[in-house]
Amino acid sequence: GENVEQHPSTLSVQEGDSAVIKCTYSDSASNYFPWYKQELGKGPQLIIDIRSNVGEKKDQRIAVTLNKTAKHFSLHITETQPEDSAVYFCAARKGSNYQLIWGAGTKLIIKP
Amino acid sequence: EADIYQTPRYLVIGTGKKITLECSQTMGHDKMYWYQQDPGMELHLIHYSYGVNSTEKGDLSSESTVSRIRTEHFPLTLESARPSHTSQYLCASSEGGLRGRGEQFFGPGTRLTVL
Repeated sequence: GENVEQHPSTLSVQEGDSAVIKCTYSDSASNYFPWYKQELGKGPQLIIDIRSNVGEKKDQRIAVTLNKTAKHFSLHITETQPEDSAVYFCAARKGSNYQLIWGAGTKLIIKP
Repeated sequence: EADIYQTPRYLVIGTGKKITLECSQTMGHDKMYWYQQDPGMELHLIHYSYGVNSTEKGDLSSESTVSRIRTEHFPLTLESARPSHTSQYLCASSEGGLRGRGEQFFGPGTRLTVL
């Protein structure tokens, strides 16, 4: 079945620097790749997603890139701020009737 | 702001007790999910439903059961709680069919501690 690997498990960056989180997936039929952010004491919330017919998508300070050939996608956060500190999850899915397959999560720490 | 609610937010109970975790959504979503998560760790799908009277087990084996008698309500029940059930339980919902992108909206979670 589908497997999603996420790295690193913990990422510590200086405020203002960029952060990159990477995920790889195993099922080439996957066509939808969302990223969720989970703040302390809350449920995850979708922050950005990308479909397989697009290579890159940007929303202000966050962007996601997709390499279908290599079967990996990445989350990029620029000009990091303290409120970016959270756990980030990637996921993959191959159709609307299939379940999301989740990565293990990355704890992002923004150092002041 | 997602309209999905979970009660209670925190629950501490003794071994052997029967508990029900409540989850309700007001978005009219067909699909609903229960995840088990240790704080800050991986999300494990334990149950899901594609609509009324539809329930399926997820990837992680769980001793809990669920029901879906109404679209908006998806309660999870543990007949006899044990310390190994101590965890956070997250409920989520999403639109069914080909509408939208299938974004899952999560509730705030129930933190369960079994003594």
